[in-house]
Amino acid sequence: QSVLTQPPSASGTPGQRVSISCSGSNSNLGRNTVHWYQQLPGTAPKLLIYRDDQRPSGVPDRFSGSKSGTSASLAIRGLQSEDEADYYCASWDDSLDGWVFGGGTKLTVL
Amino acid sequence: QVQLVQSGTEVKKPGASVKVSCKASGYTFTDFYIHWVRQAPGQGLEWMGWINPKSGGTKYAKNLQGRVTMNWDTSINTAYVEMSSLRSDDTAVFYCARRTWDFWGQGTLVTVSS
Repeated sequence: QSVLTQPPSASGTPGQRVSISCSGSNSNLGRNTVHWYQQLPGTAPKLLIYRDDQRPSGVPDRFSGSKSGTSASLAIRGLQSEDEADYYCASWDDSLDGWVFGGGTKLTVL
Repeated sequence: QVQLVQSGTEVKKPGASVKVSCKASGYTFTDFYIHWVRQAPGQGLEWMGWINPKSGGTKYAKNLQGRVTMNWDTSINTAYVEMSSLRSDDTAVFYCARRTWDFWGQGTLVTVSS
């Protein structure tokens, strides 16, 4: 049972916009920023969004993040086949005094 | 360019210990904490803890305290994680990552099997 809750799966067709949610609590998302990672099969995770809505250099602006209260969301517009991957959210948890991750969302491009 | 290169696959018996290394290059090693994260087969990511290579300070995930130790060697820009009393459910890929989560190692598979 992950501390941050994500839907196990999401899907969309090429060109569509999809959104992945991440739900937490006051001890994590309510007080701290959220990061998002993309993990392609058999590879290490890659930082996609940091501090709620910031994109590292090299990440396409098709990817965007937002947060409100204890919930966060990753949006992908103009979906492409190479976006098929697992996506994870993460945040610092003040109660656990450590980093916590969501359970991950498997995105399928139909 | 920044790189984190980890040691190779490990196979251990239950009850044994394992030590995984993470060699950093392309930046000042002591400027960034190193996180350790593990991922069991088909499962999600689990934070194990971090080490501050400048001070040697560590913080471990509460559920792993007592079984995990992190240390470092600044002379060779390398961080280590050691896990003891291994069980079959510790089988996982171990990753190191820089504090800012922007660079990750390639992962090290640790298999625990009798």
